[in-house]
Amino acid sequence: QITLKESGPTLVKPTQTLTLTCTFSGFSLTTSGVGVGWIRQPPGEALEWLALIYWDDDKRYSPSLRSRLTITKDTSKNQVVLTMTNMDPVDTATYYCAHRSGYGASGTFDYWGQGTLVTVSS
Amino acid sequence: EIVLTQSPGTLSLSPGERATLSCRASQSVSGRSLAWYQQKPGQAPRLLIYAASLRATGIPDRFSGSGSGTDFTFTISRLEPEDTAVYYCQQYGYLWTFGQGTKVEIK
Repeated sequence: QITLKESGPTLVKPTQTLTLTCTFSGFSLTTSGVGVGWIRQPPGEALEWLALIYWDDDKRYSPSLRSRLTITKDTSKNQVVLTMTNMDPVDTATYYCAHRSGYGASGTFDYWGQGTLVTVSS
Repeated sequence: EIVLTQSPGTLSLSPGERATLSCRASQSVSGRSLAWYQQKPGQAPRLLIYAASLRATGIPDRFSGSGSGTDFTFTISRLEPEDTAVYYCQQYGYLWTFGQGTKVEIK
């Protein structure tokens, strides 16, 4: 059974750096084709993909946010970490991590965490 | 970046009716790499359809998808009250992008 859970601060101040951790179980991030991605959703708005890390440590970033994002993995802890610099109130959103399928529905996000709401405010 | 435009913004239908949602891409989506997700209030999205027309595990056959290139369609053949949700299309042929969503309301 695949599960993912996001953790991190619920409130950050403008200009600060956000660090979110995705802790997962039920799969290994050393398995070929597998990845973990981050997606966010401002209140009442649409989903926005942010970043993804593959089993081989290859990384992909949203072009519009690339300069502010860093994604890393710790396979020994079954964790993926996303950092976002220079936070702004417009970054207020629920942040999700999700499993990128390596087979079957390959390429899609077939399992999601519950999400964590991050508010940016002074 | 591939931009996905969904229509209509909101669909209000009665139980048992057919819902048809559209997703148009700004450029061709390679390999029919188009998925549909359902999101209910307060919940994470749920994968329904991948590769434009294949149902994910456990998804009822009243949900279906079709299309290729730049035009894709998602259909709920017989609406049930629990289908009230926002539905998003997503392309994963080049990076990942989501449409803005279609809200389906059951009268």
